[in-house]
Amino acid sequence: DIVMTQSPDSLAVSLGERATINCKSSQSVLYSSDNKNYLGWFQQKAGQPPKLLIYWASTRESGVPDRFSGSGSGTDFTLTISSLQPEDAALYYCQQYYMTPYTFGQGTRLEIK
Amino acid sequence: QVQLQESGPGVVNPSETLSLTCTVSGGSINFYYWTWVRQPPGKGLEWIGHIYSSGTTDYNPALKSRVTMSVDTSKNHFSLKLSSVTAADTAVYYCARGSKLDSWGQGSLVTVSS
Repeated sequence: DIVMTQSPDSLAVSLGERATINCKSSQSVLYSSDNKNYLGWFQQKAGQPPKLLIYWASTRESGVPDRFSGSGSGTDFTLTISSLQPEDAALYYCQQYYMTPYTFGQGTRLEIK
Repeated sequence: QVQLQESGPGVVNPSETLSLTCTVSGGSINFYYWTWVRQPPGKGLEWIGHIYSSGTTDYNPALKSRVTMSVDTSKNHFSLKLSSVTAADTAVYYCARGSKLDSWGQGSLVTVSS
């Protein structure tokens, strides 16, 4: 199985500041035939299902604010929230869909400082 | 836009079979993969497996011996069965669309308890 490791496990960031969450996969999730990274990012708030924010490592899902961005390739990825808003406090997960069983990172809890 | 809704018993006895159905509305079930994910209370997400609208399946090896998924395109729904459950199978079970998981149901809490 591909192991997804997120860092940090938790972080606290002030409103308006930048938040950065990292995700590392145990093997590359870049598919050479289409040059796409099979990596997504999700946001989950208490009592709600996860919500897809980013797919193909850097493509924002429709309706997601542009303060959310994804970057990286191969095995190292980053989710960046450029200017933190109160509603961004949540759990964030990365997920690879390159190879089954698809796997998730352990989650990063983002709090407002 | 597509909506998904899980349904099934909230409590299952140990050693019995958990059964859930996910009904898809606002769009066709055809030509997509449909996925089950679970989340134990206070823990992370686990991919259980997926089924294509044609019926082709792929299961997590950790659960493969106990999982069966099926799809009914005439009813626009798909189903999950997990046999021989224990307390470790207590979780919120989500259904979702595709490999990218771009749409999710609200989740169904299933508690394994006698």
